[in-house]
Amino acid sequence: GAVVSQHPSWVICKSGTSVKIECRSLDFQATTMFWYRQFPKQSLMLMATSNEGSKATYEQGVEKDKFLINHASLTLSTLTVTSAHPEDSSFYICSARDLQGSYEQYFGPGTRLTVT
Amino acid sequence: DAKTTQPTSMDCAEGRAANLPCNHSTISGNEYVYWYRQIHSQGPQYIIHGLKNNETNEMASLIITEDRKSSTLILPHATLRDTAVYYCIVRVSIFGNEKLTFGTGTRLTIIP
Repeated sequence: GAVVSQHPSWVICKSGTSVKIECRSLDFQATTMFWYRQFPKQSLMLMATSNEGSKATYEQGVEKDKFLINHASLTLSTLTVTSAHPEDSSFYICSARDLQGSYEQYFGPGTRLTVT
Repeated sequence: DAKTTQPTSMDCAEGRAANLPCNHSTISGNEYVYWYRQIHSQGPQYIIHGLKNNETNEMASLIITEDRKSSTLILPHATLRDTAVYYCIVRVSIFGNEKLTFGTGTRLTIIP
């Protein structure tokens, strides 16, 4: 099946710094990628929809200036958490929709961010 | 968005069929039912989806009631590796983007 990778798989950073997370579709092209956040023992919450070559669409309550999304190619989307704070510590997961296939979304393995 | 209701948790004996129910009584006629699962600390994994007919693949079977207000995911021979949170999702389509709204899911534990 289609494979989506994320890098890094985990990261620890200090409060006030920025962290970039990459999401790649390895064997398919994706005009649309999605970014989710998951706090411990909670469900996934959609943060934003990333569209190749255009601006991302953010869900209500998600600060677009804090969570910068770039989707520069059909296989790569990045999420940058700017000026990270401890409350941003979470599991960040991306997904990508296969252009050639049906409407299945394939998820990455997730990135665990810890802000100290 | 059509919301879904699932039991919080379920247990199933290894080797038996696991039947996971989902209610989606407000589903619209053009909305699909999707099932994903999430093993601890991993990204969700697509299992199966359907519109109104029953579906089967190598992982599971999906039974959708005739009125489409509920469905059941069946794992025919559960193994310990099937222990995960299972999410029943009704696909929302807005401006061509396929949003998936995750509920709380069912935590399935396979008992040896």
